[in-house]
Amino acid sequence: AQSVAQPEDQVNVAEGNPLTVKCTYSVSGNPYLFWYVQYPNRGLQFLLKYITGDNLVKGSYGFEAEFNKSQTSFHLKKPSALVSDSALYFCAVRDIRSSSNTGKLIFGQGTTLQVKP
Amino acid sequence: DAGVIQSPRHEVTEMGQEVTLRCKPISGHNSLFWYRQTMMRGLELLIYFNNNVPIDDSGMPEDRFSAKMPNASFSTLKIQPSEPRDSAVYFCASSLELDRVNTGELFFGEGSRLTVL
Repeated sequence: AQSVAQPEDQVNVAEGNPLTVKCTYSVSGNPYLFWYVQYPNRGLQFLLKYITGDNLVKGSYGFEAEFNKSQTSFHLKKPSALVSDSALYFCAVRDIRSSSNTGKLIFGQGTTLQVKP
Repeated sequence: DAGVIQSPRHEVTEMGQEVTLRCKPISGHNSLFWYRQTMMRGLELLIYFNNNVPIDDSGMPEDRFSAKMPNASFSTLKIQPSEPRDSAVYFCASSLELDRVNTGELFFGEGSRLTVL
């Protein structure tokens, strides 16, 4: 079964320090992987994706993610956190079982990132 | 582009009343998704459409919920009768059909926050 897991409900980091938000996945075949961010009282916003190619993917707001096939992971990273990065982060995998060519995504449960000054 | 537009942004109603949530997807997108977000259950996919046709409604909680997409630019999610446990934020999202160019990332609206008293 296709699934994605975010093992941490919350990640706390000091401003200026590097941050990592973890995500592991389980899919059949090659995964399409995504990260989304949700700020308070807002909808989810696309951050970055991995489809194929370079394992290090760069996205919006200075975020990047590393695809690791052997560990089935797709961790989100940023070298230097900002207070404004505080938000809810979702990892997602495309459901390749979809019977049609739709972008149906399976989302993780979300990780709250708290960046303190 | 204006993005995915949802209305109303906030709705407060009494148990037993009918609720209708509306969504206008991004022009040209041919897949539309309705999600529900709660603290307890996270982000749940309720139903999705491809080219105005419902593809998977297995996430619709019960018969009180129904969704329609009469044309490519409009969809509704209706709850009749509403119950307090339906209180949640309901998101609409749209995407392009997957192909060699489009990789199916979703674009979310700002959500409709429903409170059923």
